[in-house]
Amino acid sequence: QKEVEQNSGPLSVPEGAIASLNCTYSDRGSQSFFWYRQYSGKSPELIMFIYSNGDKEDGRFTAQLNKASQYVSLLIRDSQPSDSATYLCAVNQDAGNMLTFGGGTRLMVKP
Amino acid sequence: DVKVTQSSRYLVKRTGEKVFLECVQDMDHENMFWYRQDPGLGLRLIYFSYDVKMKEKGDIPEGYSVSREKKERFSLILESASTNQTSMYLCASSARGLDTQYFGPGTRLTVL
Repeated sequence: QKEVEQNSGPLSVPEGAIASLNCTYSDRGSQSFFWYRQYSGKSPELIMFIYSNGDKEDGRFTAQLNKASQYVSLLIRDSQPSDSATYLCAVNQDAGNMLTFGGGTRLMVKP
Repeated sequence: DVKVTQSSRYLVKRTGEKVFLECVQDMDHENMFWYRQDPGLGLRLIYFSYDVKMKEKGDIPEGYSVSREKKERFSLILESASTNQTSMYLCASSARGLDTQYFGPGTRLTVL
């Protein structure tokens, strides 16, 4: 069973701080990694994806991938209360564009 | 922008009723997916489809069926709704060969 693990949280950070969200995965063959944000009662929305080892930056968000250690992380700089949400990590499976989702980390940014 | 719509945001049904949840995407995506999301259990794949009239079982297909008669539309059917099918149902789509999935707004189904 391919697994994607996340700490459920809540992760609490003060406004303006860096929030660091982590995700580990079991399938060494995974090639695509995604971060989704989900507000309470809403559906997941794509924040960013990463395919290659290293960092990928998009505005205040940075995704970091380390395939050797099988982890992917999301850094949110200058965290805002509006960033308070559950963040889902997703990893592709071998067959046909399916994704395996982690259980999500709940982030709380306090003013 | 990709747009995925679902027929209802909230739905209340009675035990034993047949329930239809519809999903429509406007980006000509080949792949469509149905998930349910429950507290503590995360997103679980029910069924998916790679093309018209094609369907594949996901991790939890029991009690559900699907229909894909047109490329843009993927329907989830609960043949005889039960209380343990009370959940948030999410539809997603992606283009052939690409993993990025885009989600609809979700349908919160309550079965009484």
